[in-house]
Amino acid sequence: DADVTQTPRNRITKTGKRIMLECSQTKGHDRMYWYRQDPGLGLRLIYYSFDVKDINKGEISDGYSVSRQAQAKFSLSLESAIPNQTALYFCATSDPNRGPQPQHFGDGTRLSIL
Amino acid sequence: AQSVTQPDIHITVSEGASLELRCNYSYGATPYLFWYVQSPGQGLQLLLKYFSGDTLVQGIKGFEAEFKRSQSSFNLRKPSVHWSDAAEYFCAVGPNMDSNYQLIWGAGTKLIIKP
Repeated sequence: DADVTQTPRNRITKTGKRIMLECSQTKGHDRMYWYRQDPGLGLRLIYYSFDVKDINKGEISDGYSVSRQAQAKFSLSLESAIPNQTALYFCATSDPNRGPQPQHFGDGTRLSIL
Repeated sequence: AQSVTQPDIHITVSEGASLELRCNYSYGATPYLFWYVQSPGQGLQLLLKYFSGDTLVQGIKGFEAEFKRSQSSFNLRKPSVHWSDAAEYFCAVGPNMDSNYQLIWGAGTKLIIKP
């Protein structure tokens, strides 16, 4: 089983709908991240969480919200989806307890908003 | 401002040829440096990382990268590419004295392999 699991893998929806993307991890990491990827722009950080009680905005948080339900779960919501939120979304985790560590990624959710 | 530049959007090489992907960063101190690879339909996988010490680091799948402080570069190399190396490659930089360890990402370089 994957260490970082994202659901759904693909989603097509309409403008104005509320959407939730879910991420769960079995790595035991405290830190979790949500990114979006657009062609030619690399990855941009939406939100990150250091633990269940610590959630922080990234560089492009407008239009998004998150919930850290448990150490292992971090959900991203689009309250009212718009077409320019069409992108590939990634969840990632990292373990800070041994100094700076690489981030571990899920396989992504491809979201299309019509 | 902190930034990471991958100057090449696409690179095409023949199978068996050598490869170098460029990464330049702008940062106030020596950062932590990473290379990731993204195969189609998959998430990003860590190829290698540099934190300190030997400036030539070895990674998985036969890749290596060299940190050059004077050039603010961390270029990725492979002596002989295989068709399975076709993917998108991302360079990332992280602060070495910051508690949140957020990464700054390059825009990626897509590697195309000619048979």
